[in-house]
Amino acid sequence: QSALTQPHSVSGSPGQSVTISCTGTSSDVGGYNYVSWYQQHPGKAPKLMISDVTERPSGVPDRFSGSKSGNTASLTISGLQAEDEANYYCSSYAGRYTFVVFGGGTKLTVL
Amino acid sequence: EVQLVQSGAEVKKPEESLKISCQVSGFTFTDYWIAWVRQMPEKGLEWMGTIYPRDSDTRYSQSFQGQVTISADKSVNTAYLQWSSLKASDTAIYYCVRYVSMVRGVYGDFWGQGTLVTVSS
Repeated sequence: QSALTQPHSVSGSPGQSVTISCTGTSSDVGGYNYVSWYQQHPGKAPKLMISDVTERPSGVPDRFSGSKSGNTASLTISGLQAEDEANYYCSSYAGRYTFVVFGGGTKLTVL
Repeated sequence: EVQLVQSGAEVKKPEESLKISCQVSGFTFTDYWIAWVRQMPEKGLEWMGTIYPRDSDTRYSQSFQGQVTISADKSVNTAYLQWSSLKASDTAIYYCVRYVSMVRGVYGDFWGQGTLVTVSS
């Protein structure tokens, strides 16, 4: 069982918006503004999409945005495109003894 | 260009030992943390541990403490993950990942291509 809880799957049509949630505790997501999101296409390495809850690395489309409220972080993808179909993982810093935890992953299907 | 290039796929038998590598380029090896992340077949990501090559400060997830050893060689800009006695349950893809920090802004900004380790009798 993963430390962070994500929905198993979400879906949306091209052009629509989808939001993926990531629920943790006050010891990880709620305790630090160090939530990151990763996109993984089948057979590929994960790619950083969001760091520090809301920061978008260079080259990541502004259709991707992150937020956090309490112990739940969210990744929103607006203007869905076919190439957004992938697995998405959240991650959080969890303190000086646990360090880093991941969510179980969410499969995004673009209908 | 930042690159993390991992060693090739391995097929091993249970109880054998193994050391896989991650050679970096395009940045100063001793300024960053290098972590290892496991992905078992059709499963999610699991953070295993990390090393700071400048002083070899190494931290492990409780789940992997004692099960693997993380090391680094500054002379060849390479991090390693090793097992002394493999089990079938170690079958997975292993990724090395660059982290800028382990106390602030904790995220993996560059990933290796992954090394598939298959353990089977």
